[in-house]
Amino acid sequence: KAGVTQTPRYLIKTRGQQVTLSCSPISGHRSVSWYQQTPGQGLQFLFEYFSETQRNKGNFPGRFSGRQFSNSRSEMNVSTLELGDSALYLCASSSPTGGGNIQYFGAGTRLSVL
Amino acid sequence: QKEVEQNSGPLSVPEGAIASLNCTYSDRGSQSFFWYRQYSGKSPELIMFIYSNGDKEDGRFTAQLNKASQYVSLLIRDSQPSDSATYLCAVNESPGNTPLVFGKGTRLSVIA
Repeated sequence: KAGVTQTPRYLIKTRGQQVTLSCSPISGHRSVSWYQQTPGQGLQFLFEYFSETQRNKGNFPGRFSGRQFSNSRSEMNVSTLELGDSALYLCASSSPTGGGNIQYFGAGTRLSVL
Repeated sequence: QKEVEQNSGPLSVPEGAIASLNCTYSDRGSQSFFWYRQYSGKSPELIMFIYSNGDKEDGRFTAQLNKASQYVSLLIRDSQPSDSATYLCAVNESPGNTPLVFGKGTRLSVIA
C-alpha cells in the first residue's frame, strides 16, 4: 500500500506570495491532518479534514487554510507569506482503530520564505 | 492548554545499553499515546502506540503507560547507533475525534 504523498518536497517563496501544498493520503484513509514543524516550536497542529469537512483547527491565523476533496486528497494554502512561515509542513493520514487514531506522516514539504 | 512535556536532551547512551525516554501530559482525559521516531531531515515514523496502563513490548521497544501519574515512557533495549534520532511523544484525548498533541521531542544519541 502506498504511503502518504506530499508535493512538492521543497519550495522557495518570497514574502507576500502565496503557496499551495498537496497531500494524498493512504488509500482508504479519510482523515488528513496538517502540521507545521519548526526547530523552536516543534510539531504544531494546523487543521484536520475528514470527509471534506474541517473537523479540528489549531491556533494559526486565517492566512492558513485548507480543503479536502472527495477522494480524500487535501491541500493547504498559505497566503501573504511571512518569513516566520519557513518550516517543514507535514501531512498525516489516519484511519480509526479499536483504541485510537493512528497517524502516518508523509515526507513533508520544506518551505523557505525569503 | 493541553501540554505534552519531554526532556529535550540530548540523551547519550552507549551502544548496547537501555535508553529510557520519558513523557508527561497534562490532560487527564487522554486515551491514546504514541511514540514517533524522527531522523534529522525526515518525517516522523510511528514506533509504538499504547492505550492501556502497563507495558507493551515490540521487539527492542517497550512502551510504559501510567495514567494515574500521567506518564508514558519508551525503553529501547540494546541501543544501536541507528537508534540515534529525535523521539516524539504524542497524546490523543479521545479516539478518532481530536488532534494529536506532540511533545517537542527528546534527542537520543547512541555512542558506538
